[in-house]
Amino acid sequence: AQSVTQLGSHVSVSEGALVLLRCNYSSSVPPYLFWYVQYPNQGLQLLLKYTSAATLVKGINGFEAEFKKSETSFHLTKPSAHMSDAAEYFCAVSEGFGNEKLTFGTGTRLTIIP
Amino acid sequence: DSGVTQTPKHLITATGQRVTLRCSPRSGDLSVYWYQQSLDQGLQFLIQYYNGEERAKGNILERFSAQQFPDLHSELNLSSLELGDSALYFCASSKPAGGITDTQYFGPGTRLTVL
Repeated sequence: AQSVTQLGSHVSVSEGALVLLRCNYSSSVPPYLFWYVQYPNQGLQLLLKYTSAATLVKGINGFEAEFKKSETSFHLTKPSAHMSDAAEYFCAVSEGFGNEKLTFGTGTRLTIIP
Repeated sequence: DSGVTQTPKHLITATGQRVTLRCSPRSGDLSVYWYQQSLDQGLQFLIQYYNGEERAKGNILERFSAQQFPDLHSELNLSSLELGDSALYFCASSKPAGGITDTQYFGPGTRLTVL
């Protein structure tokens, strides 16, 4: 069975500061990993995904994440936070072809302090 | 705009009733997924259809059922509704997986309130 743990249900950072959202996964097979963002009253938008091609994955809006197998982690970072980054972020894992369902973490609400 | 449409946007109904949620996938996508987002359970996978056939089942209650039609749109039917069924229901779609998991694109969701 696969699972995702997101450490910190709420994270606050100052505008211009580093954003770091933590995600650890558990999977019995090589995982596919995703970060989605959800703005208020909207659906989920894909930020980036890891599909074993490269361990450092760049996504939209300046976000990136690094797959670390030894730490079973896939943390999301952005060098400089912007007010528009305030949202809820979800890490998700999939086993891939034949079992594409996404298993989500509990989410991290990111607040940006002006 | 992801290209996935869901109707209705909001639905308010009473306990014991039955409702149908509709999803139209992105053009060309054959897979449709349904997810439930609630405060106590978080985001949970319910069911997946691929080109009209059920492909995977998650934590879907027996009171819930789904189908995918020949034009690839999907409907999620919820019956004998309970207060605890109040949630945001998302549909997502993706192209056929070809060895590398394709991205699931999410619709805006249907917010169901059971009174």
